[in-house]
Amino acid sequence: EVRLVQSGAEVKRPGESLRISCQASGYRFTSNWIGWVRQLPGKGLEWMGIIFPGDSETKYNPSFQGHVTISADESITTAYLQWSGLKASDTAMYYCATYSGTLALDVWGQGTTVTVSS
Amino acid sequence: EIILTQSPATLSVSPGERATVACRASQSVANKLAWYQQKPGQPPRLLIYGASTRATGIPARFSGSGSGTEFSLTISSLQSEDFAVYYCQHYNNWPSYTFGQGTKLDIK
Repeated sequence: EVRLVQSGAEVKRPGESLRISCQASGYRFTSNWIGWVRQLPGKGLEWMGIIFPGDSETKYNPSFQGHVTISADESITTAYLQWSGLKASDTAMYYCATYSGTLALDVWGQGTTVTVSS
Repeated sequence: EIILTQSPATLSVSPGERATVACRASQSVANKLAWYQQKPGQPPRLLIYGASTRATGIPARFSGSGSGTEFSLTISSLQSEDFAVYYCQHYNNWPSYTFGQGTKLDIK
């Protein structure tokens, strides 16, 4: 079974750094793109970017480029989403997602809530 | 950038009735379109991919149609568990994705 398990909820202050994780299992980690999706409180889904762990190639939504970094560690089958300077506007739920049998995102993590507040 | 526009924003339907959500793309995405369902406190769930193929385990009352720029998701007979938010998404520039703004389906 393909599974994605995300790290727990985070509460941070503006300007702090943060890295959240998404551990994959049940498939060959280096063979599938794995992406991140943001959902602001009460709002819709926004695709942030995606990484191919096999060679670390990344693609970003231009709206997020430069504000977040997506990375992966093949040795522990884990993808990461990180910020170097959080803003209150980063308060949201973040999901990782990948695909198993199609090109659409049919496997999702449970989500990680990030709260940024002074 | 291809923009997806869903309509309506909110749809009120009675249980047992039929519901249809539309999704229009600003330019052709061929059949590279998916539909997702999201319930409160849960991650999205893939319903339809390739515009019309149901994902594994999705009931037959869910159907998708369309190609190019005009798509629709139809739920033939609404069950209580179907009241949720629905999103279309294109992957014509795979592995990049774009979501529509969502349609809330609520009980009339």
